[in-house]
Amino acid sequence: KAGVTQTPRYLIKTRGQQVTLSCSPISGHRSVSWYQQTPGQGLQFLFEYFSETQRNKGNFPGRFSGRQFSNSRSEMNVSTLELGDSALYLCASSLVSGGTDTQYFGPGTRLTVL
Amino acid sequence: AQTVTQSQPEMSVQEAETVTLSCTYDTSENNYYLFWYKQPPSRQMILVIRQEAYKQQNATENRFSVNFQKAAKSFSLKISDSQLGDTAMYFCASRATGTASKLTFGTGTRLQVTL
Repeated sequence: KAGVTQTPRYLIKTRGQQVTLSCSPISGHRSVSWYQQTPGQGLQFLFEYFSETQRNKGNFPGRFSGRQFSNSRSEMNVSTLELGDSALYLCASSLVSGGTDTQYFGPGTRLTVL
Repeated sequence: AQTVTQSQPEMSVQEAETVTLSCTYDTSENNYYLFWYKQPPSRQMILVIRQEAYKQQNATENRFSVNFQKAAKSFSLKISDSQLGDTAMYFCASRATGTASKLTFGTGTRLQVTL
């Protein structure tokens, strides 16, 4: 089976722009979670989607949003980018939400905001 | 809310030796899971080992084992016979059963395995 894929792998944007990141889960997985990883704040949970519904949301401003499609692929969007949004954005997929199965992580998208 | 603390930012171990990474956590939940994830340099994060809080027996996966002390809220990772490929950031994480798939991570321990 193919692993979790994320596109693009690298992005450079300027302040004020918006960006969309994509995550394709492992085939058959219906839960996709997103995390932000920065040197200062570490790994922080953004949100989780399961069967096209947001199941849980972390403490991030409304500029961060996401969605999930019927094929379980997920996108996250960040509007009005700020310098502090520079980070590695990871997504993870699992078969179900909150179950005992393992979450598998993608390679991440590294976003740089100038 | 859950918190996870890793007090060792960096550690070093020689090849073939044993090393223990520390992790403490805090939670008000009765049912939760604990994990150790490994993030090698420029590579994907992978699960090393996990422990269900309701199980008293410590989890083991080949060279990796945990020491789970529920009363002390401690969850340390022991790596035996360390290999160069074990060089990575190691993150301790927790997940309450009522919070869907949300993981709460510690700040990580950078482990360097040397010859």
